[in-house]
Amino acid sequence: DQQVKQNSPSLSVQEGRISILNCDYTNSMFDYFLWYKKYPAEGPTFLISISSIKDKNEDGRFTVFLNKSAKHLSLHIVPSQPGDSAVYFCAASARNNAGNMLTFGGGTRLMVKP
Amino acid sequence: KAGVTQTPRYLIKTRGQQVTLSCSPISGHRSVSWYQQTPGQGLQFLFEYFSETQRNKGNFPGRFSGRQFSNSRSEMNVSTLELGDSALYLCASSGLGHSYEQYFGPGTRLTVT
Repeated sequence: DQQVKQNSPSLSVQEGRISILNCDYTNSMFDYFLWYKKYPAEGPTFLISISSIKDKNEDGRFTVFLNKSAKHLSLHIVPSQPGDSAVYFCAASARNNAGNMLTFGGGTRLMVKP
Repeated sequence: KAGVTQTPRYLIKTRGQQVTLSCSPISGHRSVSWYQQTPGQGLQFLFEYFSETQRNKGNFPGRFSGRQFSNSRSEMNVSTLELGDSALYLCASSGLGHSYEQYFGPGTRLTVT
């Protein structure tokens, strides 16, 4: 039972254009969402997060949008750069957890072409 | 501030053996979580320790265990290794209390032959 899904395993975008990565979730108890970026042979790097009380959070070139009614979030990268080429994971956490436990999607490989 | 460190980075073991992996969190972080990454199952939560106590546990068999020391360093142990345990094992730390953002180490690549 995959509670967090990233339906696009890969995405290819031209440098300078917008990259949009999508994520869907099923567990209505999730109240905090995060995006991580991962290069090969490295651990995931935290990018940006959003609480369920918001519908948008922005940090530089990265913006995350949350649509609670659709149980959908997306990460926008604008403008995309070749260094953004990596695997992106969305993750979710539920307030009812006693501590920290992230549920991850399967990841989307982003390729930004020069 | 130094990041999360994991040792060893690479490990090759034989079926039936046991293995211990180590993780040192970011200084001041008291929560340490472990995840397994495989091509088929993605990133899956193993367990979390906070102040030397296991606070959360994922859906893994009892062969997977862990502990945390008073300095917040953590170890995970896998006994009676199976071929399917071959994976990248990632450790993450987070700050005080219930902090959602977790910061990951580079991982330990375990190969079971």
